[in-house]
Amino acid sequence: GAVVSQHPSRVICKSGTSVKIECRSLDFQATTMFWYRQFPKQSLMLMATSNEGSKATYEQGVEKDKFLINHASLTLSTLTVTSAHPEDSSFYICSARVGGNTEAFFGQGTRLTVV
Amino acid sequence: AQSVTQPDIHITVSEGASLELRCNYSYGATPYLFWYVQSPGQGLQLLLKYFSGDTLVQGIKGFEAEFKRSQSSFNLRKPSVHWSDAAEYFCAVGRRTGSQGNLIFGKGTKLSVKP
Repeated sequence: GAVVSQHPSRVICKSGTSVKIECRSLDFQATTMFWYRQFPKQSLMLMATSNEGSKATYEQGVEKDKFLINHASLTLSTLTVTSAHPEDSSFYICSARVGGNTEAFFGQGTRLTVV
Repeated sequence: AQSVTQPDIHITVSEGASLELRCNYSYGATPYLFWYVQSPGQGLQLLLKYFSGDTLVQGIKGFEAEFKRSQSSFNLRKPSVHWSDAAEYFCAVGRRTGSQGNLIFGKGTKLSVKP
């Protein structure tokens, strides 16, 4: 299958700072990328859908000014958590697909801890 | 609203024993159903999916799942579990008919395998 790489795999940041998470499709061009969030013992919840070259579509309840998503190229999408707070600590995982109704491939996820 | 329920949070089976992980969904139309596996520190890997046709679906690593519309279930099975199958398993449904990328996940079932 296709490879999606997320970086970093783990990050610790201080409250009030911003942190950027990268999601790259290594061997295919991803027109669509999805960002999920997973709290401990909870399911993965879709945060937003991003299409290359256009603004991301956020799910209800997700603050778009706090979770900035950029999908500037067909192989890279970034999620920036701005002014992070301890409650933003979570596991963030992305998926990417070529387009249309095709399978989406997942990255390995990023564990964010805000202290 | 669509939802996915995995009733079992944690299951322990002996190596070589059979396995069944339960998944129930709520969806108004014909669902697209998925099973993913997540090993520690890894992303989600697709085991199998059901769109239409034969209700018994074969996947990778010897897994299969059966779609039962009357029971709104999509249970995952494996006849003989290997120690390497220890992981977390997620059932998911496409949020819209035909969606493979925008998914609603269950909370997951953690599988432990004892020697």
